[in-house]
Amino acid sequence: NAGVTQTPKFQVLKTGQSMTLQCAQDMNHEYMSWYRQDPGMGLRLIHYSVGAGITDQGEVPNGYNVSRSTTEDFPLRLLSAAPSQTSVYFCASSYGQYNQPQHFGDGTRLSIL
Amino acid sequence: TQLLEQSPQFLSIQEGENLTVYCNSSSVFSSLQWYRQEPGEGPVLLVTVVTGGEVKKLKRLTFQFGDARKDSSLHITAAQPGDTGLYLCAGGSNYKLTFGKGTLLTVNP
Repeated sequence: NAGVTQTPKFQVLKTGQSMTLQCAQDMNHEYMSWYRQDPGMGLRLIHYSVGAGITDQGEVPNGYNVSRSTTEDFPLRLLSAAPSQTSVYFCASSYGQYNQPQHFGDGTRLSIL
Repeated sequence: TQLLEQSPQFLSIQEGENLTVYCNSSSVFSSLQWYRQEPGEGPVLLVTVVTGGEVKKLKRLTFQFGDARKDSSLHITAAQPGDTGLYLCAGGSNYKLTFGKGTLLTVNP
């Protein structure tokens, strides 16, 4: 029962570096999304996808890119890392759309120095 | 962006006490979800409320959706240390799910 798998679990980057956070789900879910969680700020939506080939922006999309070439995978790319992007990143998926139960991964803890 | 205000932000109580946390918005939601998150893990769904005035019970947890579908509450009876965690409410529209900032509950033995 893999569910939603996020890799890596921890990462330290230097300012200006780029990287991709991986997210994969094995439940054939249509809807996938990325959130960042910062102290006192709750979960904020970065990008989401309603199905393969379709992505859209959430509340805080600047500095991040996504693509959805398959139903299973939804990678999040940091183009040029900045200290303000230090956060815990969560990927989620659901059968159907956003108002269905969301299944979350265990998160990627990212530090930008 | 629809906002969800949760209160209180922090709550520390003794085992056996009762508590209520609130989730309020000026917007109407078609449904509201409640999640619990433990340290180092992602949020896990507790319940979804859909109908205005709806009450759902999950063991010692009681969830209520306001009549106007703008607010919700979570009541815990006889809290236990295992209830410790971050409680989040979430609602959405236009394909986006918005989370409140959460209530961090600590239940002391």
